[in-house]
Amino acid sequence: EDQVTQSPEALRLQEGESSSLNCSYTVSGLRGLFWYRQDPGKGPEFLFTLYSAGEEKEKERLKATLTKKESFLHITAPKPEDSATYLCAASGSNYQLIWGAGTKLIIKP
Amino acid sequence: NAGVTQTPKFRVLKTGQSMTLLCAQDMNHEYMYWYRQDPGMGLRLIHYSVGEGTTAKGEVPDGYNVSRLKKQNFLLGLESAAPSQTSVYFCASRDLDGRGYSYEQYFGPGTRLTVT
Repeated sequence: EDQVTQSPEALRLQEGESSSLNCSYTVSGLRGLFWYRQDPGKGPEFLFTLYSAGEEKEKERLKATLTKKESFLHITAPKPEDSATYLCAASGSNYQLIWGAGTKLIIKP
Repeated sequence: NAGVTQTPKFRVLKTGQSMTLLCAQDMNHEYMYWYRQDPGMGLRLIHYSVGEGTTAKGEVPDGYNVSRLKKQNFLLGLESAAPSQTSVYFCASRDLDGRGYSYEQYFGPGTRLTVT
C-alpha cells in the first residue's frame, strides 16, 4: 500500500537554528515528490517538486533532497516567518497524490 | 489571476441539511480535485476530475457528489450532512501532464464546514 510518513509531528527551533524535516515514502512508480507549506487558515502553497533520487532544489533558506526512500527538507538559519506546517506528498503511477500528515514548524525569535 | 477560489469560506449545517461548495480556477487547468483535511491526518482525496464533464471517486467519496459542467468550475455537494463531514475542504487544480511526470497542484483557501 502506498504511504507517506512525515517526522517529527512538530519541531520547535530557535531563530537561526538549522534542522531537517523528514518524509518517508512507499510509493510504486514515483512520478514526483512534492513539498508544500501551509499557514494557519490557508491552503497549501507549493514549494518544490523532486523527480529522481539525488535531485536537490533550493529556495531561500529551504533545500529539498530526495533518495529512493525518503526526502528531507533542510532549513538553514530559519526565521520566525518560516513557521508553518510543511506537507509532503508523493505521486505514484496513477498520478494521485498521497499526503503525509505534516510537520508543524515553530521558530522562536 | 485569482488562481483557485472557493465559496463559501465558512458554513455551519445541521445534520441532514444539504449544501454545495463551489470551486473556480482561472488557469485553464484540466485536472481538478476536492480534498478534506482533518487534524492529525494527511489530505484525503474525495473526488477528482480529469476534464470537463468527467468525474471520478477518490479515497473517501461516500456522502459526497461532484459535477464539472464547465472546465473552470468543480462543485462538491453534500446531500445529507453528517457530523463526520465536519472538516476543512480544499479544492485544487493542476495542468495536464504531457511529459510522463506529475505537475504540482494549486490549492484554494479552503472552506471550513461544521455539521452539528
